[in-house]
This record gives sequence, C-alpha cells and structure tokens, in this order.
Amino acid sequence: GAVVSQHPSWVICKSGTSVKIECRSLDFQATTMFWYRQFPKQSLMLMATSNEGSKATYEQGVEKDKFLINHASLTLSTLTVTSAHPEDSSFYICSARDLSSGSDIYEQYFGPGTRLTVT
Amino acid sequence: GQNIDQPTEMTATEGAIVQINCTYQTSGFNGLFWYQQHAGEAPTFLSYNVLDGLEEKGRFSSFLSRSKGYSYLLLKELQMKDSASYLCAVLDSNYQLIWGAGTKLIIKP
Repeated sequence: GAVVSQHPSWVICKSGTSVKIECRSLDFQATTMFWYRQFPKQSLMLMATSNEGSKATYEQGVEKDKFLINHASLTLSTLTVTSAHPEDSSFYICSARDLSSGSDIYEQYFGPGTRLTVT
Repeated sequence: GQNIDQPTEMTATEGAIVQINCTYQTSGFNGLFWYQQHAGEAPTFLSYNVLDGLEEKGRFSSFLSRSKGYSYLLLKELQMKDSASYLCAVLDSNYQLIWGAGTKLIIKP
C-alpha cells in the first residue's frame, strides 16, 4: 500500500526559531499533498494544499508567511514553521493522494504526524 | 456553510455492536470516508462510500444515504483495540475533504 513518512516525528524548539517538517511519499508519486494541524481532542484542520511545482493554497486564517510550504518534487513536501511561538505547538500531519493507480477513490494516505512543542 | 455532525463520544462493551452516525451538509458530494485515529497517531483509512447502500469489510461496515445526507459506521464484535476516534469526512465538489470533529469510542470490558 501507499506509504507516507514524516520527519521528525517530534521536535521541541525555542520560541522565535524555525522548524522544518518533511513529508515524503515512499512508494508513489504525489502530485498533491495536504498539511493538517490537530490540537488535542480536536479534529483535523486543513492548513494548506500543496501541489508539486506550484504555490501552495492556504486555508482561510492560515498565515502563508508563517507556515512556508514547498513541494519541490513528486515525493517531497516540506512545511516550515517560522518564528515559532508556544501557540504553534500542535500535532502536524501531512497526507498525499496517489492518483497514478487510476483509483477514483481519492483516498488520502496520512503520514505518522509530527508533534511540535515550542517552549 | 459546510457542516459535518457526529457524536462527540460513545461507549460500548467488548464483543458488542456499535453504530456511529454522521450527517453532512456540503457543497457537492464526491464520496464519504471513515477514518480511525488512535490517540497520538495519524488517521488510517477504514472505508469509502460514494453510492447509496452498505459496504461491508470484515467487522466494519459503512452505510450511505445521499438523499438524507447521512452515513453510519457499524463496528461488530468490538475489541478493546477498537477504542479510538472515528472521523467522518466528505469529499466536496472541489475534491476537498471536509472533516467532522470525530467520535471518541470507548470500549469497556
């Protein structure tokens, strides 16, 4: 099955620093990747949709200058949290669609998530 | 606006059957997903319905009625490992996934 990896799985950083999270599709090409944020006991919140070779589409209320997304290849998307603050502490999850198989399901395969703690 | 409703929490007994309901109002419909999410982990795919009716997959079944904007996930022969949150998500007309808040299922021995 399609596998998506994320790195790091957890990170602690100081307020004001930047953190980069990588999302990779290991055995398929992902033209579209999604970045989600999830606070404790809440559902997934879509932050942005990342398309390979083009600018990401951000959801309303998500600061694109703070959450930098780069989708440079068909297997890698990165999310950089710039000038992190304690309120950015959350569980960040990426997902990807594999449309190469011709499936009509539009299933999203999720990475294992990255837990970010900003002190 | 777009809205997906599911109960916040449910409790069931090991070995029993539980039904988790989901109602939706979205701009367009291209299918409905159910995902399972254990605490601290990413969601995992359970089922996908795009046509009306029941889809059965082992102990889990999912039902869809498009005219009623309604779906349910049926879990049979409950096991302790089924304790998790169950997320309902609808693919809208833009092929964007709209997520429900999730239902936390607690299984008691």
